Amino acid sequence: DAGVIQSPRHEVTEMGQEVTLRCKPISGHDYLFWYRQTMMRGLELLIYFNNNVPIDDSGMPEDRFSAKMPNASFSTLKIQPSEPRDSAVYFCASSHRQGTDTQYFGPGTRLTVL
Amino acid sequence: AQSVTQPDIHITVSEGASLELRCNYSYGATPYLFWYVQSPGQGLQLLLKYFSGDTLVQGIKGFEAEFKRSQSSFNLRKPSVHWSDAAEYFCAVGALPGGTSYGKLTFGQGTILTVHP
Repeated sequence: DAGVIQSPRHEVTEMGQEVTLRCKPISGHDYLFWYRQTMMRGLELLIYFNNNVPIDDSGMPEDRFSAKMPNASFSTLKIQPSEPRDSAVYFCASSHRQGTDTQYFGPGTRLTVL
Repeated sequence: AQSVTQPDIHITVSEGASLELRCNYSYGATPYLFWYVQSPGQGLQLLLKYFSGDTLVQGIKGFEAEFKRSQSSFNLRKPSVHWSDAAEYFCAVGALPGGTSYGKLTFGQGTILTVHP
């Protein structure tokens, strides 16, 4: 398997613009996680899905952030409007079962909001 | 709430030397424990995990970790470090089934390892 695929790898945008990050989980995995990594706050879980259904979005920082998983092989994280403080690396991860099972991480999307 | 502390932000060792990275956790019971490694520009890769049983866990790349309940610790060790081990290492705790946090991983702040030749 190709592993978790994220696109784009790098995104530079201006404040106020809409940003969409994409993730393709490993085939057969039924859990998908979105994380954000910053120097100040470390690695934070934003939201996770089970069988395409959002289970816990308590980590989503604001209403500007939204995530969807329309099918088992695709998820998006959208920021609208974007702000400079959203600059971070965003990771997607997937696992077969939650809890004990290994989460496999994608390479991340480095977002810079000017 | 669960939490993880990695006391060392940055560690430097010489190639061939032994390594120990510290991790302390806070949780109401024995949680699931993980160590991940992140190379520059890459995602996180699992080194090893502990759920129950033998408190000494073997992982990939020659790493091992020991769970000590009395110290709430899960330190990562390697007897002889290679230059390719230079990376950032994250300890994480996962909640047990039955709670509202089941499935979530809480990560420590990470320890950056530099290896001198």
